[in-house]
Amino acid sequence: GAGVSQSPRYKVAKRGQDVALRCDPISGHVSLFWYQQALGQGPEFLTYFQNEAQLDKSGLPSDRFFAERPEGSVSTLKIQRTQQEDSAVYLCASSQTGASREKLFFGSGTQLSVL
Amino acid sequence: AQSVTQLGSHVSVSEGALVLLRCNYSSSVPPYLFWYVQYPNQGLQLLLKYTSAATLVKGINGFEAEFKKSETSFHLTKPSAHMSDAAEYFCAVIGSTSGTYKYIFGTGTRLKVLA
Repeated sequence: GAGVSQSPRYKVAKRGQDVALRCDPISGHVSLFWYQQALGQGPEFLTYFQNEAQLDKSGLPSDRFFAERPEGSVSTLKIQRTQQEDSAVYLCASSQTGASREKLFFGSGTQLSVL
Repeated sequence: AQSVTQLGSHVSVSEGALVLLRCNYSSSVPPYLFWYVQYPNQGLQLLLKYTSAATLVKGINGFEAEFKKSETSFHLTKPSAHMSDAAEYFCAVIGSTSGTYKYIFGTGTRLKVLA
């Protein structure tokens, strides 16, 4: 596609609900990142995929957070039993290869509000 | 561990005035540094990056940044602000752990341009 696409754009969940956030990276991009951006803060790293391999999940805040990229393209971030502190914008970004100096292409994010 | 600090969460300048957004980094290895801009309801876009070539880096929209090792700084400047520059700006450094890498972002500086 032309850019990184994320859906839904907005998600409202009741506390305790499970949610799934989708990321469609630019076609052919090897690397995919998920970030969490709380209000007034910078993006915080959650997890990193190189193709279908999840190479780093050190930023996932708890075992309620799970991410996958089974075919090396689309990725899903799942949050189980959502809590109010999970309210944030979830950003997905991709880059062409696995090289660390590459430009990241970001999606517009999914704004999650947990009531 | 690598990190960046952005001084000033909000900066206001008059249209036509100099823009200066501050970023200091901490890194035990030669850093790769980036500036990203985020317009409302959009994803982050790369403004410029430093990867150990020239210390003065020119980016898009008339922005530039100078890498100063002695001051551990990578401040973003633009000689003359436009109304369209109003946005949030993030400094970032590449951090690596266990053979993988991730972008580490600062907390951001919101730029306001006054007519």
